[in-house]
Amino acid sequence: DGGITQSPKYLFRKEGQNVTLSCEQNLNHDAMYWYRQDPGQGLRLIYYSQIVNDFQKGDIAEGYSVSREKKESFPLTVTSAQKNPTAFYLCASRVQGARETEAFFGQGTRLTVV
Amino acid sequence: AQSVSQHNHHVILSEAASLELGCNYSYGGTVNLFWYVQYPGQHLQLLLKYFSGDPLVKGIKGFEAEFIKSKFSFNLRKPSVQWSDTAEYFCAVTYSSASKIIFGSGTRLSIRP
Repeated sequence: DGGITQSPKYLFRKEGQNVTLSCEQNLNHDAMYWYRQDPGQGLRLIYYSQIVNDFQKGDIAEGYSVSREKKESFPLTVTSAQKNPTAFYLCASRVQGARETEAFFGQGTRLTVV
Repeated sequence: AQSVSQHNHHVILSEAASLELGCNYSYGGTVNLFWYVQYPGQHLQLLLKYFSGDPLVKGIKGFEAEFIKSKFSFNLRKPSVQWSDTAEYFCAVTYSSASKIIFGSGTRLSIRP
């Protein structure tokens, strides 16, 4: 089955610790995205990548980092510099270079800082 | 800046009522427009999309949306809602000049049985 897998589904982190969220896709998509979803604020773009070994900051990149070493994988690290990391994180992918194609989403990771 | 606005944050309707959710986007040249739905506990999925041609687009589950270029709008409609339409709805846009997808703040739809 083709799709996007995010893990873990729930994640708890102590303040001051970095944590990495996994996102893997087997759709052969070049473009991948990380969004943060907070109640009443919709989906806000953290980082996106259009090709392996390249990525761009989105609107709220501060306190986050990413890597794109493989086409299938786009992990997101929430660093201790992120002031309010408790949120629902969504990963997406889509065909690059075709603006009319839609994004496909994973099930999300709910991160809670304790 | 490129942006999408959804003015209705929470809409409450009774079953069989008609639905219209507003979506406006900022000017940025050629656009593609999308409506996504997030049912409770499920991942986001595409309802419908517009990229060219007929401005009236039909999607899944009886939803449709109309692209009105002069108003920078892409409102979502359904003639008769069901309890199962309870979900959060997101409007999104891509511009020809960028790869990123910009989402609105979402509209939570609650249907009274």
